[in-house]
Amino acid sequence: GENVEQHPSTLSVQEGDSAVIKCTYSDSASNYFPWYKQELGKRPQLIIDIRSNVGEKKDQRIAVTLNKTAKHFSLHITETQPEDSAVYFCAASEGRGSTLGRLYFGRGTQLTVWP
Amino acid sequence: DAGVTQSPTHLIKTRGQHVTLRCSPISGHKSVSWYQQVLGQGPQFIFQYYEKEERGRGNFPDRFSARQFPNYSSELNVNALLLGDSALYLCASSWGTGGDQPQHFGDGTRLSIL
Repeated sequence: GENVEQHPSTLSVQEGDSAVIKCTYSDSASNYFPWYKQELGKRPQLIIDIRSNVGEKKDQRIAVTLNKTAKHFSLHITETQPEDSAVYFCAASEGRGSTLGRLYFGRGTQLTVWP
Repeated sequence: DAGVTQSPTHLIKTRGQHVTLRCSPISGHKSVSWYQQVLGQGPQFIFQYYEKEERGRGNFPDRFSARQFPNYSSELNVNALLLGDSALYLCASSWGTGGDQPQHFGDGTRLSIL
């Protein structure tokens, strides 16, 4: 099955700085890559996703890039704010052609934004 | 619009007991997936159901079972509970079953086994 690696496990930045979280995946047939934000005691919240036919997607302060050849994708948060502090998870879907909506998750990155 | 709702929010059981967790998907969503999230890790896939049929199962023992009802709500059952079953159980709903369908999670059920 798919294997998703996520780095770093913890990330501390000053308010206003940028934060980058990187993930790699093993199954070249995976075609959907969502990112989730999980605050303490709350549900994972889908914040952005990208499909394999697109190299980059942006939504206000967050962006995701995908390199299919290298099998890695990254989350970029600009102008960070204290409310961005949370655990962020990347995920990859079951391989292309599968009708199973199974997601494989990374281990998460604890992002702390200091005011 | 209501999001994915799960019940109960917390549950304490002892080893050997049985538990049933419930999930109601977002209105219009026909697929429900169950995930287990152990502290400090990402969610792990347990099951996916679509149109009341099991579409896939993760690497979990037969003690774990689930079903989906005609209104698309779902139940996750775990028998013969073990200490290692202590986790946050998350339900996610999506419109369809494909691998590129966005999945939206509920708040989860925190299960503690004593």
